[in-house]
Amino acid sequence: AQTVTQSQPEMSVQEAETVTLSCTYDTSESDYYLFWYKQPPSRQMILVIRQEAYKQQNATENRFSVNFQKAAKSFSLKISDSQLGDAAMYFCAYRSSYSGGGADGLTFGKGTHLIIQP
Amino acid sequence: GAVVSQHPSRVICKSGTSVKIECRSLDFQATTMFWYRQFPKQSLMLMATSNEGSKATYEQGVEKDKFLINHASLTLSTLTVTSAHPEDSSFYICSARDYHSDTQYFGPGTRLTVL
Repeated sequence: AQTVTQSQPEMSVQEAETVTLSCTYDTSESDYYLFWYKQPPSRQMILVIRQEAYKQQNATENRFSVNFQKAAKSFSLKISDSQLGDAAMYFCAYRSSYSGGGADGLTFGKGTHLIIQP
Repeated sequence: GAVVSQHPSRVICKSGTSVKIECRSLDFQATTMFWYRQFPKQSLMLMATSNEGSKATYEQGVEKDKFLINHASLTLSTLTVTSAHPEDSSFYICSARDYHSDTQYFGPGTRLTVL
């Protein structure tokens, strides 16, 4: 079974600064997908960024970028120019490339609570 | 982006009653939907995968007779918590997979409180 580990229960950053959230995972599969989701106080899960394991290039979405290290099974999220609206729980998630039998459900880490200080 | 709705957003029921939660994909068809459970200040745990027109696939430790899932159409999946007990109180979140974009979109969740 796959596991996802987020070792930072809480992180704090000053507005406009850069913060990096850590995520490691364990899998025996060679092809898979990794995600970062944001969950604000409304509890609505919002996809932040997605990475396919077969792609060597790190994914970027505006102020959000990842550092994907496949050999190290590491998938960190960097948020640049932090904004007050970035305050939320951030979950790292893994999904197998296989389909069916529950294989394409997401396995989540425990989450990191990101605080933005004005 | 695609929209997934859940109804109701909150429900309070007495112990022993059954509660049905609906999950709808509003602007795309979803052959696969997923049900997750989230306890306070914890992560989301996959409960089951709902497949249109076939039986759901349950994760280990999830009682299929207690959490009944029906995926009768390409836009609707329902989760029925049968004979609910206080320990079933939780936040239930569904997601729907858009086949074309291969992306899961999440509903806003349902807060279930069993008295």
